[in-house]
Amino acid sequence: GDSVTQMEGPVTLSEEAFLTINCTYTATGYPSLFWYVQYPGEGLQLLLKATKADDKGSNKGFEATYRKETTSFHLEKGSVQVSDSAVYFCALMVIQGAQKLVFGQGTRLTINP
Amino acid sequence: GAGVSQTPSNKVTEKGKYVELRCDPISGHTALYWYRQSLGQGPEFLIYFQGTGAADDSGLPNDRFFAVRPEGSVSTLKIQRTERGDSAMYLCASSSQGAGGSPLHFGNGTRLTVT
Repeated sequence: GDSVTQMEGPVTLSEEAFLTINCTYTATGYPSLFWYVQYPGEGLQLLLKATKADDKGSNKGFEATYRKETTSFHLEKGSVQVSDSAVYFCALMVIQGAQKLVFGQGTRLTINP
Repeated sequence: GAGVSQTPSNKVTEKGKYVELRCDPISGHTALYWYRQSLGQGPEFLIYFQGTGAADDSGLPNDRFFAVRPEGSVSTLKIQRTERGDSAMYLCASSSQGAGGSPLHFGNGTRLTVT
């Protein structure tokens, strides 16, 4: 079945450090790929997405490129801020009538000043 | 504007009791989803409504779980004879379309604890 595996946390970095959170997937068909973020006390929010191979999603300084050859969608940011502290979820969706998202287990990121 | 609203935010119940969790989607959103998130895990799909009908309930774990959306807006997730393993965060999401295109908007969830 479809699945997402992402880098285990927690991840702790200093402000302005470079961030990578790895995500790989297994899917039948041609999934769309997503990164969702959950800030403390808030609901899940869509951070970025890519719908086909070689697409790059970007938002708030975060980027991820859909790599079909390596079945990956790694999240990167060049210079993290304390406000980026949150739990990040990689997810895929194979549209079969419903938008059924399959999530990874989440990676908790803490940025220290 | 108002987002997806879920009530209560926390629910503690005893094993064997019946619970109802409510979701009020964004006005005008025809698609509504329920997900369950266990501690340290990502959300898992439970059920999807398009309008009033359950278009896909393949994620419901067993027949103790049931959900309704009688008027195509508010939805209620019902759990009978609760078990300790039902303890989790229950998330609701809505979107303006059922398939593809528009993103899902998630509520803050209801944390259910079964003692």
